[in-house]
Amino acid sequence: QKEVEQNSGPLSVPEGAIASLNCTYSDRGSQSFFWYRQYSGKSPELIMFIYSNGDKEDGRFTAQLNKASQYVSLLIRDSQPSDSATYLCAVSGYSSASKIIFGSGTRLSIRP
Amino acid sequence: SAVISQKPSRDICQRGTSLTIQCQVDSQVTMMFWYRQQPGQSLTLIATANQGSEATYESGFVIDKFPISRPNLTFSTLTVSNMSPEDSSIYLCSVESAGGAGVGNEQFFGPGTRLTVL
Repeated sequence: QKEVEQNSGPLSVPEGAIASLNCTYSDRGSQSFFWYRQYSGKSPELIMFIYSNGDKEDGRFTAQLNKASQYVSLLIRDSQPSDSATYLCAVSGYSSASKIIFGSGTRLSIRP
Repeated sequence: SAVISQKPSRDICQRGTSLTIQCQVDSQVTMMFWYRQQPGQSLTLIATANQGSEATYESGFVIDKFPISRPNLTFSTLTVSNMSPEDSSIYLCSVESAGGAGVGNEQFFGPGTRLTVL
């Protein structure tokens, strides 16, 4: 079983709609959760992090964490073509607060 | 967040040679990380580099193949030794931010080094 699982996509969403990206993780002791955006040919860019159950909002982005279900999601409101990228879910490992395990990423495509 | 630079940005190398990748940060950081991202894949941690101590390697990665230096708190190098085409990948360094929530500090990535081995 993979430690961090994401649907590889591509996920196609019309411009202006809400894009919903999901991630599950296997280590119940995980404490930190991150969403990175990676454009083709570029390095990952941190866009959200969340440590507590519930929702965390930053502009058009909302991260949602449910530790009981071992589930974390990213919502992107008012999707723009510039949001088209691969989104990587990442979870901090139990053995070290600093070691991060990455999912394989979900490709998001925003269609005009 | 810290500003991170890497050199070279890309290189094409011959089989059997070695390449040293440099990572420079504009502020002092305790931990630096080296990742590999193979084509179409996610990121895999190679090793963690702390200043003044030996790097800690992840399963599947060994010091003879990927020697790392960490001479000070703003700089690190990763060498890819005796390269083969399977080493063709993007190599990324990252640093941990200071002053996070204290549970798991977020990491920020350099621009990466795209390596092609012929």
